[in-house]
Amino acid sequence: DGGITQSPKYLFRKEGQNVTLSCEQNLNHDAMYWYRQDPGQGLRLIYYSQIVNDFQKGDIAEGYSVSREKKESFPLTVTSAQKNPTAFYLCATNPGTSGKETQYFGPGTRLLVL
Amino acid sequence: GENVEQHPSTLSVQEGDSAVIKCTYSDSASNYFPWYKQELGKRPQLIIDIRSNVGEKKDQRIAVTLNKTAKHFSLHITETQPEDSAVYFCAASKVGTGRRALTFGSGTRLQVQP
Repeated sequence: DGGITQSPKYLFRKEGQNVTLSCEQNLNHDAMYWYRQDPGQGLRLIYYSQIVNDFQKGDIAEGYSVSREKKESFPLTVTSAQKNPTAFYLCATNPGTSGKETQYFGPGTRLLVL
Repeated sequence: GENVEQHPSTLSVQEGDSAVIKCTYSDSASNYFPWYKQELGKRPQLIIDIRSNVGEKKDQRIAVTLNKTAKHFSLHITETQPEDSAVYFCAASKVGTGRRALTFGSGTRLQVQP
């Protein structure tokens, strides 16, 4: 887990503003994921990427966008189209190889709307 | 897609008692079932996982059982301690092919009373 960093720890968004959450890893893992966690609820998948330059929508992708230009980085942009963005955002990684299914989570970013 | 249901949503036990949390899944192709522990404001941490070719796995005071026919799996914590107090999440995924991302249950808040 220490090999995954997320920044910032807290982020405030104004109405109509796009904000970008950072996720960086030095674990040399191929797969990266973004989850959203609302208070008292489980984690829901936003986007995932199994290899550089490729990503797939998860269950709640609307209002979000991602890129995967480098293996180490998988930034998430919360666009103004996401009307209820207040949540705890967690990035996760996985080696991407058979037999190594464990997902490791970053420390998270808490997004609040002003 | 996959749907994971988790029960109970809250569980209070006396220190030293056992705790059992149950999950059911909908996709018979799911073959990997991890359990995560999340303390307040922190990232989820993997505590134990099981693959579909195994019926039970134990690690000290923690065990997980899997019934593929019934599509349910359970977490068992014995000799509970106050530091076991946290939110526990079950999850399911299909490793080896296609989407590897986890589908999470809604969580169980475990309170261990001293």
